[in-house]
Amino acid sequence: EAQVTQNPRYLITVTGKKLTVTCSQNMNHEYMSWYRQDPGLGLRQIYYSMNVEATDKGDVPEGYKVSRKEKRNFPLILESPSPNQTSLYFCASSPGQGGYEQYFGPGTRLTVT
Amino acid sequence: GDSVTQMEGPVTLSEEAFLTINCTYTATGYPSLFWYVQYPGEGLQLLLKATKADDKGSNKGFEATYRKETTSFHLEKGSVQVSDSAVYFCALRRTAGAGSYQLTFGKGTKLSVIP
Repeated sequence: EAQVTQNPRYLITVTGKKLTVTCSQNMNHEYMSWYRQDPGLGLRQIYYSMNVEATDKGDVPEGYKVSRKEKRNFPLILESPSPNQTSLYFCASSPGQGGYEQYFGPGTRLTVT
Repeated sequence: GDSVTQMEGPVTLSEEAFLTINCTYTATGYPSLFWYVQYPGEGLQLLLKATKADDKGSNKGFEATYRKETTSFHLEKGSVQVSDSAVYFCALRRTAGAGSYQLTFGKGTKLSVIP
C-alpha cells in the first residue's frame, strides 16, 4: 500500500531533550515536506526536500533540523524542544512540483512541557 | 507572498443541505489549487484539485471551479452527509519556482453535519 508513515504518533517530552520524528514514504517520491498544524493558523511548512541531500527552509524553520540521506526517509529533528513547538506535525511527499498533489502522513502530536 | 483565505467555521448543516465553503487566493502567476479534507484523528487527504483557469475539480459529490477572474476556488456539495463532517482546507501551490515545493494553506473550515 502506498503510504507515508510517521513515528511516533504521540510524544510527550520535556524542554531541551533532543528528539527525532521519523518519516518514510514508499512511493519513490522526490519531494518531501514537514508541516506543523496549529489551531487558528492552519498548516505551515517547516522544511522541504527536493531530492536526496537537497533541503531548504519553509515558512517556520526556526528550532528544527532535517536531513535527507535516502530518498524514502526525511526525519525531523528538534535539537532543544521548547513549549512553543507543541503542535501536530505532518510529513508529506509528492512526485513532482506544482500541480502534483502531496500525500500526507497520519501526523505526530508532540507536547513539550 | 502567497495567501489563501477561506471562510472560518465552524459550519453546522443538517443532512442533505447544500454546502458552500468560500476560498479566495492571492498568488503570482497561475497556481494549482487544491481542497484537502481532514477527518478526525487523521492526516490530510486530497479531495479535489484544479491546475488551470476554468478547470473544475470534482470528487465524492464535491466540486470546485478555478475562477481566475475572481481568484476563487469555492467548494460545493449539493447534499451533505454525516460522513462529510471534517475539516476542509483550501490550498495553492505555484507551478514553478521556489513556491512549487510547498502548499500554502487556508486556516481550515470545520464542517459538522447533523442527522
